Amino acid sequence: GNSVTQMEGPVTLSEEAFLTINCTYTATGYPSLFWYVQYPGEGLQLLLKATKADDKGSNKGFEATYRKETTSFHLEKGSVQVSDSAVYFCALSDIGRALTFGSGTRLQVQP
Amino acid sequence: EAQVTQNPRYLITVTGKKLTVTCSQNMNHEYMSWYRQDPGLGLRQIYYSMNVEVTDKGDVPEGYKVSRKEKRNFPLILESPSPNQTSLYFCASSLGQGARKAGELFFGEGSRLTVL
Repeated sequence: GNSVTQMEGPVTLSEEAFLTINCTYTATGYPSLFWYVQYPGEGLQLLLKATKADDKGSNKGFEATYRKETTSFHLEKGSVQVSDSAVYFCALSDIGRALTFGSGTRLQVQP
Repeated sequence: EAQVTQNPRYLITVTGKKLTVTCSQNMNHEYMSWYRQDPGLGLRQIYYSMNVEVTDKGDVPEGYKVSRKEKRNFPLILESPSPNQTSLYFCASSLGQGARKAGELFFGEGSRLTVL
């Protein structure tokens, strides 16, 4: 079956540091890949997506590249802000199957 | 404004007392789903619905019921709640066509349920 594995958190960074949150996946088909963000007390919001190999999704300074050869979709940001503190979920969607989420990675950015 | 609305946002109840968590979306989405979020487990799907009168089990359906009588509403019913159903619940919706759109979910703000 499909699965998503994320690095465990929390990830604690200082403001303006470089961020990487690792995500790898297992899928039988050709999934679409997503990153969702959950700010404190809120529901999840779609952050970015990529639908095929080598696609790069980007939004709000965050980027992730769909790497089929390494089955990865790592989230990166060049300079994090305190307002980026949240829980980040990697997810995949395959035709005919429900969205599969990773367990989430909490990011804490300190001023 | 496009949104998914859940009620109640917070609820404390006792074992065995039936409760319903309502969910409504105003985007004319065909696909709706319920998830529960527990520490260290991420989000797990409870039930989903591809359209009116079409529902199916997700990964953790035991102890839950759903119905889809109207396109916009997808209530989650706990007939006899137990303490292991204490969790944070999210309703979500999407256009639901193909892998890309099926993954572009709009989430409600969540309903935190405590069963004593």
